[in-house]
Amino acid sequence: DAKTTQPPSMDCAEGRAANLPCNHSTISGNEYVYWYRQIHSQGPQYIIHGLKNNETNEMASLIITEDRKSSTLILPHATLRDTAVYYCIVSYTGANSKLTFGKGITLSVRP
Amino acid sequence: GAVVSQHPSWVICKSGTSVKIECRSLDFQATTMFWYRQFPKQSLMLMATSNEGSKATYEQGVEKDKFLINHASLTLSTLTVTSAHPEDSSFYICGASGGEETQYFGPGTRLLVL
Repeated sequence: DAKTTQPPSMDCAEGRAANLPCNHSTISGNEYVYWYRQIHSQGPQYIIHGLKNNETNEMASLIITEDRKSSTLILPHATLRDTAVYYCIVSYTGANSKLTFGKGITLSVRP
Repeated sequence: GAVVSQHPSWVICKSGTSVKIECRSLDFQATTMFWYRQFPKQSLMLMATSNEGSKATYEQGVEKDKFLINHASLTLSTLTVTSAHPEDSSFYICGASGGEETQYFGPGTRLLVL
C-alpha cells in the first residue's frame, strides 16, 4: 500500500502557483519524499526529491514540514503543459529501492 | 535528468504470440531496472525488479514464467510477454536506477493483444 495520501484532484489558473499537498505521517527517518508526474500516455517524469530540507530546482520547489509528516510541491508558474497526475512517494534511496505509486493527484491547469 | 528509452512504443499482436519490449538507459549505467504495468485509469504497479547479471525478483502475483526479464547489461533490460492474451493488454513502463537517489522512467510501451 502507498504510504502517502493526496487529494484526488485540484485545479489552478495558468500562470499562478500550484501547491500540491501530500501527507506521509508514517515516514521513517531515512525515507525520502519523491515527486513524479505522469502526463497522459507517457512514462512518469521525475520532478524533485528531498529528505529534510526544502529543495528547489528548475521545475519546482519541495517544502517539507519540520516533522516530515507532510510536504507540498510548488509549481511556481503553472502552464497548460503542467496538467498531469502528480505522485508523491516516500522511499529509501539506493538503486534497489522500489517506488510504490498511489493514485496521485490530478492537476488541471485552466487557461 | 537521465534518459531511458523503450522500444517499441506500441505493439499489436495476436493471442498466443510472444512480445519482447526493450528498455535502455541512454546516458547512465542502470544497475537496477524495474518493470511496471499500468491498466487504464489505474496507477503503476511494479511487476519485477532486476539487477544486471542476476535473476529478476517478481512481485507477488506476477507469473515469472509468463513475464520473462533479462538484464544482461548495464544499459539494457528486456521484458518478454510469453503466450500473450487479451488480458495482458496494458501499458508497460520500465524504470532504471544507477545507484543514485533517483529512478528514471522510459516513455512506456502500449501492448494490445487481439
